[in-house]
Parts: sequence; structure tokens; C-alpha cells
Amino acid sequence: VQLVESGGGLVQPGGSLRLSCVASGFPVRTNYMSWVRQAPGKGLEWVSVIYSGGNTYYADSVKGRFTISRNNSKNTLYLQMNSLKTEDTAVYYCARAVKCGGACYNYWGQGTLVTVSS
Amino acid sequence: AIQLTQSPSSLSASVGDRVTITCRASQGISSALAWYQQKPGKAPNLLIYDASNLESGVPSRFSGSGSGTDFTLTISSLQPEDFATYYCQQFNSYPPLTFGGGTKVEIK
Repeated sequence: VQLVESGGGLVQPGGSLRLSCVASGFPVRTNYMSWVRQAPGKGLEWVSVIYSGGNTYYADSVKGRFTISRNNSKNTLYLQMNSLKTEDTAVYYCARAVKCGGACYNYWGQGTLVTVSS
Repeated sequence: AIQLTQSPSSLSASVGDRVTITCRASQGISSALAWYQQKPGKAPNLLIYDASNLESGVPSRFSGSGSGTDFTLTISSLQPEDFATYYCQQFNSYPPLTFGGGTKVEIK
């Protein structure tokens, strides 16, 4: 099982970025997949989840600005981030939840850094 | 959203010490709690789930206990590789999933 994120970088406030997470060793479409972020020197913050059935949920802090999706043929998870704010600066991890009914994260990617700054 | 408060926020300990970290939920969450370890520059690693179940491959010196609002992570004999930051996470009422603020375990 492997998760590899990409797409991070420097973006100006108000800008957009799309993160990708390529999964191997399991099908994304049958798993609960999430994005979790960590601001520099801070704790973990859950961002979004997409369930196997396709339902999606978001943290209040990103609702209406971020969109989680997946491409089953590419076995890839995405996070489209629009209207970015400086407080969105963080390392973004994709994670697969297997334990706890799909709510505890057994597998994590290495993370990709998003910096929102002018 | 359910708030999780960890204490202490940091601690200093020596190799071989018994270390206890607590996590308090703002409302009852039954046993729907997990613990993670995170080392600098690395992703978190699941240690404990369902409050007291040890994840496969995690050393038996780690244990978890508690239910309702009060939970504990214990390291029975601290090893050099255990110096890290530890987070609790609740999954009783979600979304949103929520994490505690973290406890940094440092070398005395």
C-alpha cells in the first residue's frame, strides 16, 4: 500500500491549486479516503473525506472552497482548492482509513506542502 | 464539533520512564478514540484504535485506556525511538473528525 501526493507549491491568496494522491496496492473507489492538513508547527486538522459510495464531507474552514474527488481508472484522489487563504498554508496529507469503521487512518502519504503567500 | 484537550502539551522524560498522556473530550464519545505518533517531517502513525486496541506492529509498551470523556495513552518504558508528538482523534461524531492539540515528548 502506497500513497503519493503531489501538486503542492506556492500560490497567491485567492488563487487555486489541485492536489493529487496516487494510490497503489488497493482501490481508492472502495475505500474511505481523506485529506488531513498540518500548518507549520501546528497540530493535525481533518479537511475532507470521500466515502466509497461517493458522499463527500468538508471541514467548515474549507467548505465551499475545496472539492474532494477521485478518478477510479487512475486510482487517484484529488483536492481542488480555490479561493486560497494564507491560513490554508500547510502540509496536506492524503490518508486511507481502514480501522474504526473507516474513521482511523492506517495509511498516510508523505505529504505535500502548500504555501499561500503574496 | 467535539473538542479534544490533551495534557500536558509537552513533557520531558528519560529512557525507561513510564509516560502518561491524557485526552479529554468535550462530550462523551464512548470508546471512539485513536492515538497517533508523529515524528518530525513524517506522517502520523496509528498506534491505538477504539481507545485500547493496539494497531498491528506497534510495540506492546504502548497501551490505551478510557471511555466516555477521559482517555489515557501510556508508554510503559520509554525508548529512544518514542520521542515524538502524540495526537488523539475522536470518531464518535463525525464529520468532522477532530484531533487533540498534541503532546510533544522530549528527552530529559
